[in-house]
Amino acid sequence: QQPVQSPQAVILREGEDAVINCSSSKALYSVHWYRQKHGEAPVFLMILLKGGEQKGHEKISASFNEKKQQSSLYLTASQLSYSGTYFCGTERGSGGSNYKLTFGKGTLLTVNP
Amino acid sequence: NAGVTQTPKFQVLKTGQSMTLQCAQDMNHEYMSWYRQDPGMGLRLIHYSVGAGITDQGEVPNGYNVSRSTTEDFPLRLLSAAPSQTSVYFCASRPAGGATGELFFGEGSRLTVL
Repeated sequence: QQPVQSPQAVILREGEDAVINCSSSKALYSVHWYRQKHGEAPVFLMILLKGGEQKGHEKISASFNEKKQQSSLYLTASQLSYSGTYFCGTERGSGGSNYKLTFGKGTLLTVNP
Repeated sequence: NAGVTQTPKFQVLKTGQSMTLQCAQDMNHEYMSWYRQDPGMGLRLIHYSVGAGITDQGEVPNGYNVSRSTTEDFPLRLLSAAPSQTSVYFCASRPAGGATGELFFGEGSRLTVL
């Protein structure tokens, strides 16, 4: 079952902030975030594990609320290079032997000058 | 390191034809997977493998076959192509084991079925 991402699309001006949300109806072991530029392969941003560990990447950070099975990706002071489609991927269960990484439908982020 | 290599990058098929999308990785990753990407649908898991000789179905396995005879290779076979299989296909790999980890994607294969 695909996780649900919101919003579907967001348009920013350079320097503005954005939040992308990802939620699942099932208990999660981990949440992954990837960014994909048009015509390219998805690129890994970060992983958040059950236990609430939060990991950041430059000016991009994320959180994982285990009780709500939700994750949020925070883009601070956006740059033109942040434009692309952001996907969250989720793994269910206790991890380890569960290798199914299921992706949401994506959020299209456009950063304008 | 080449990472994950997919061939071909582009392919046009007629309905009913068969073909194989090739995927090879040189990172000694135990886990390999195939996704298809369609507009507005995100990335959907077709099949995956946690090691040589072990494969399992993902979300959308119908119409596709896989096998894993070596750690390096994970080909995806379309036995009788249908227009609904027109898509961009991505192969991805990562180390297996007790912890999750980053997925490394190939550059993708764009398939058109007429």
